[in-house]
Amino acid sequence: DTGVSQDPRHKITKRGQNVTFRCDPISEHNRLYWYRQTLGQGPEFLTYFQNEAQLEKSRLLSDRFSAERPKGSFSTLEIQRTEQGDSAMYLCASRLGGGMDTQYFGPGTRLTVL
Amino acid sequence: LAKTTQPISMDSYEGQEVNITCSHNNIATNDYITWYQQFPSQGPRFIIQGYKTKVTNEVASLFIPADRKSSTLSLPRVSLSDTAVYYCLVGDPDSGGYQKVTFGIGTKLQVIP
Repeated sequence: DTGVSQDPRHKITKRGQNVTFRCDPISEHNRLYWYRQTLGQGPEFLTYFQNEAQLEKSRLLSDRFSAERPKGSFSTLEIQRTEQGDSAMYLCASRLGGGMDTQYFGPGTRLTVL
Repeated sequence: LAKTTQPISMDSYEGQEVNITCSHNNIATNDYITWYQQFPSQGPRFIIQGYKTKVTNEVASLFIPADRKSSTLSLPRVSLSDTAVYYCLVGDPDSGGYQKVTFGIGTKLQVIP
C-alpha cells in the first residue's frame, strides 16, 4: 500500500454513460497525476495538478475527459459519453514536489465499457 | 523528453542475478534515470533512481556509465515474486514534464523456478 487510494477499483459501464473516478493522494503531496494504461502498454500521462491548479493536459485527454482537484486534496476524473476505447486502467499518482522524490501510484481503477 | 529503449522480455531462473539495460542516447544534462516495477493489476512502484555511476538500495542496483547513454538495473538473486514489468524512465525531476513521459512497453521479466 503506497498511501494513494483510488475508488472504485473496478467499473463496468455501458457505452454513452458518464463515469467518475476518485483519487486520494498522500496527504502532504502537492502534485497529483492521472495516467491511463491499456493492456500490454505502459502508463500514458493524462494530466497533472500542482495543488488545485491543473498545469498540464495531454493530447490524449479529449473534451469528454475532465479532471478536478478542489482544495488541492483529492482529485476526480470524469469521462462523459464513454466509448469502448476508453476501457483501460486509470492510475493516479502523487508526489511531494520537485527534486529527487518520486511518484507514488495508487492501485488504479479498471474501467470496462461495454 | 529522452526516448528510452529496453528489451521487451527476459527470462531468468530463481536465484540468478538479472540485469536489464535501458538505452537513452539523447539524455539531457539535468535528466535522472528512474526505474519502476509493476505487477499485474497494480500501479507501478518506484525501485531506484540515479544520475551517474552506481546507486544501490535494498532492492536493486543501478549502474550508469560515464556517458549516461544507457543504464543497467541489476536485481540480485531474483525470486518468483520478482516476475513483473520493469520500466526505465528518463527526465528532469524538477521539470513538470518529468512525469509526462510515457512509460513505454517496459521489460517483462519472467522468473522461472
